[in-house]
Amino acid sequence: GDSVTQMEGPVTLSEEAFLTINCTYTATGYPSLFWYVQYPGEGLQLLLKATKADDKGSNKGFEATYRKETTSFHLEKGSVQVSDSAVYFCALSEAGTALIFGKGTTLSVSS
Amino acid sequence: GAVVSQHPSWVICKSGTSVKIECRSLDFQATTMFWYRQFPKQSLMLMATSNEGSKATYEQGVEKDKFLINHASLTLSTLTVTSAHPEDSSFYICSARDGIGVSPLHFGNGTRLTVT
Repeated sequence: GDSVTQMEGPVTLSEEAFLTINCTYTATGYPSLFWYVQYPGEGLQLLLKATKADDKGSNKGFEATYRKETTSFHLEKGSVQVSDSAVYFCALSEAGTALIFGKGTTLSVSS
Repeated sequence: GAVVSQHPSWVICKSGTSVKIECRSLDFQATTMFWYRQFPKQSLMLMATSNEGSKATYEQGVEKDKFLINHASLTLSTLTVTSAHPEDSSFYICSARDGIGVSPLHFGNGTRLTVT
């Protein structure tokens, strides 16, 4: 079945460092790909999405490109802030079905 | 933007009792809602898909008689944990899709259930 694999955390960075969180997927069809973020004590929020190959999703300085050839959707940000500290989930959905999530990656940014 | 309200945000109950969790879409109609369970430091696992006016579809390994789901209207789905046990302690999150196809899911803030 479909699955999502994320790099294990925690990821610890200093403010203004470059961030990459790897995400790869397996799917039988052509899924849409998502990154969700969960800030401490809060619910999940959609961060960005891409619906087809080579699409780039972006929001709040974060970017991820849908790479069909490598079945990847890596999350990047050029300069992280302390306020970016959260848990990040990569997810996929085929044909509008329920999301399948990766295990989540905890990001901790220090000043 | 679309908002999903989940209530209560936390609940403590005694073993053997039942707990009901509500999930409401506040400014849109949701024909389908999803219920997830999240264990500490783990991912969200889909428990069931709740369809308005019909029976929920449960994922493999989820006991439908223990986790009762009702989706009586286009804006409300409820999850009842029956005869709760300590192993049911977890973080339960509902979500609803605002639209069809690949429109993103909107999530409630979750319910922390602790069974003593």
